[in-house]
Order: sequence, then structure tokens, then C-alpha cells
Amino acid sequence: EPEVTQTPSHQVTQMGQEVILHCVPISNHLYFYWYRQILGQKVEFLVSFYNNEISEKSEIFDDQFSVERPDGSNFTLKIRSTKLEDSAMYFCASSFVYGYTFGSGTRLTVV
Amino acid sequence: KQEVTQIPAALSVPEGENLVLNCSFTDSAIYNLQWFRQDPGKGLTSLLLIQSSQREQTSGRLNASLDKSSGRSTLYIAASQPGDSATYLCAAPISGNTGKLIFGQGTTLQVKP
Repeated sequence: EPEVTQTPSHQVTQMGQEVILHCVPISNHLYFYWYRQILGQKVEFLVSFYNNEISEKSEIFDDQFSVERPDGSNFTLKIRSTKLEDSAMYFCASSFVYGYTFGSGTRLTVV
Repeated sequence: KQEVTQIPAALSVPEGENLVLNCSFTDSAIYNLQWFRQDPGKGLTSLLLIQSSQREQTSGRLNASLDKSSGRSTLYIAASQPGDSATYLCAAPISGNTGKLIFGQGTTLQVKP
């Protein structure tokens, strides 16, 4: 069964450093998303991406965040200057027409 | 504004018991509702997707129902096993079939041998 692949599985970074989280969505999917889950809290939406542009973003997704689809297969989330409160599990997801497939997540720890 | 609520937050049952997990949503004009399983520290595994035109979906020992008029969905697990221990999340898109998902807070299930 097709999968959404996320790398790395765990990233530790120092506060103020830039991080890039990588995702390979399912190849024929059209819609791409990033979500995050702070420990013990709900999964929350960050951004959706369709037709090579952001279609929606949450209030969390400020100027420190950006997304790219640099080629036909990868979808990245960049955090420019990480803060302690960015520590969370970040999930990539993709969708074709309906229903989501999520990746296994990247646990980001900011120290 | 769509809000999704799951009660109870935690549930502990003996092995073999049939159980029901509940999910409530405030906006009945949903296009679909999806149930996920999350093991500790892991990703989200899709279990069942119910379209708004459907009343239920089944996969193995799992059955999910959708009642838009009452704003409720249930996940029924038959003959529970210790391997079913996990957090179960329901989520609905805020608009359309591919809009951003609104998640419930999850029900953490423990099945005791």
C-alpha cells in the first residue's frame, strides 16, 4: 500500500537554528499538508498546499515557517529560527480526492 | 466553526470485550469523517473513512458509523485484543473533502489481557 515517507524520524536542534523536515507524499496525490502535535495536545493543522502554492495556513504558520515542493516528489517544511515551543511531532499528509494518508512523523526537539 | 470532541479521554477494558468509542462534531455539513489509530510516539494510521452519503464502514473487527443529524460518529471494536491498545482519533475536514482536518483529542484505549 502506498505510504507517505517522512525523514528524519527524530531531529534535535538548538534554539535559533533552521530546520528542514522532509516528506515524500504518495505519488498521484494532489493535496499536501503539514500538521503538528505538541506532546499531550491535539493534532493541529499548519498548512495545505495545492497546485504549487499554499491553499490555506493556520495562525501558527507565521513568517518563520515555509513550505516547498522543490521537485515532483518532495514536500518540505522549513522553520527558519526554531523556538523551544516548536518542539512537537510534525506530520506530513497527502490526499487525492478524499481521505488523508499521514506519514509516521518527525519528532522535533528544540533545546 | 467545526469542533470535534471525543469522550471518554481514556478507556480500559478486559480482553475480549466489545467496545464503542464516541466522536461528536458541531457542524453537520461534513463531507467525510476519518478514524485514525496512533500508537505512543508514532504516526497516524487511517482505520476507516466514512463519506457523508454513507452510514457506516467496516474493516475486520472495526465498524464506524456516521449520523450527521445528531453530529455523532462511533467506532465499534469487536472482541478487543491487547494489540488494540492505542489512542484513537477522529477527524473531519472543515470544508470539502480535502479541507484542513479538525481532530478530536482522542480516546486512549487499554485492553488488558
